[in-house]
Amino acid sequence: GENVEQHPSTLSVQEGDSAVIKCTYSDSASNYFPWYKQELGKGPQLIIDIRSNVGEKKDQRIAVTLNKTAKHFSLHITETQPEDSAVYFCAASPEPNTGNQFYFGTGTSLTVIP
Amino acid sequence: DTGVSQDPRHKITKRGQNVTFRCDPISEHNRLYWYRQTLGQGPEFLTYFQNEAQLEKSRLLSDRFSAERPKGSFSTLEIQRTEQGDSAMYLCASSPPLHTGELFFGEGSRLTVL
Repeated sequence: GENVEQHPSTLSVQEGDSAVIKCTYSDSASNYFPWYKQELGKGPQLIIDIRSNVGEKKDQRIAVTLNKTAKHFSLHITETQPEDSAVYFCAASPEPNTGNQFYFGTGTSLTVIP
Repeated sequence: DTGVSQDPRHKITKRGQNVTFRCDPISEHNRLYWYRQTLGQGPEFLTYFQNEAQLEKSRLLSDRFSAERPKGSFSTLEIQRTEQGDSAMYLCASSPPLHTGELFFGEGSRLTVL
């Protein structure tokens, strides 16, 4: 089955700096890669996703890049703010439209220092 | 609030007891997922329903675990003869028929087995 690895496990940045979180996956059949943000006491919430036919996607301060050949994808957060502090999870799925399971990474705890 | 609702939010039980969790998905979401999350880990897939049909189950789901979605609306997850290793956050998620890939998570049910 799919194996998703995520690094780093913890990340501290100064407010205004950029944060980068990296994930690798093992199954070449995976073609959908979402990123979820989980705040304390809440369920994960989708913040951005990318499909395998796209190399990069951006939404305001958040961007995701995908290198399908190398089987890795990254989350980039620019101009970080204290409210970005949370745990971030990457995930991979072979085909979400069929309802297949999603494989999550182990999470990155991001702290933005004011 | 019309998000995914889970009940109870917290459950403390003694080893050997049975527990049941309920999930009410977003209305009109025909897909429903159960995930388990332990401290410092990402969500792990347990099972998936499309309407009332349970289409996929993880090997993690031992025979002490059973999930139902009798009328294709709410779902229950029952754990029989609980063990300390069952202590975790149990997350429910749903997604609509035209599945773009996004999972809408509830806030979870935290189980502590003493």
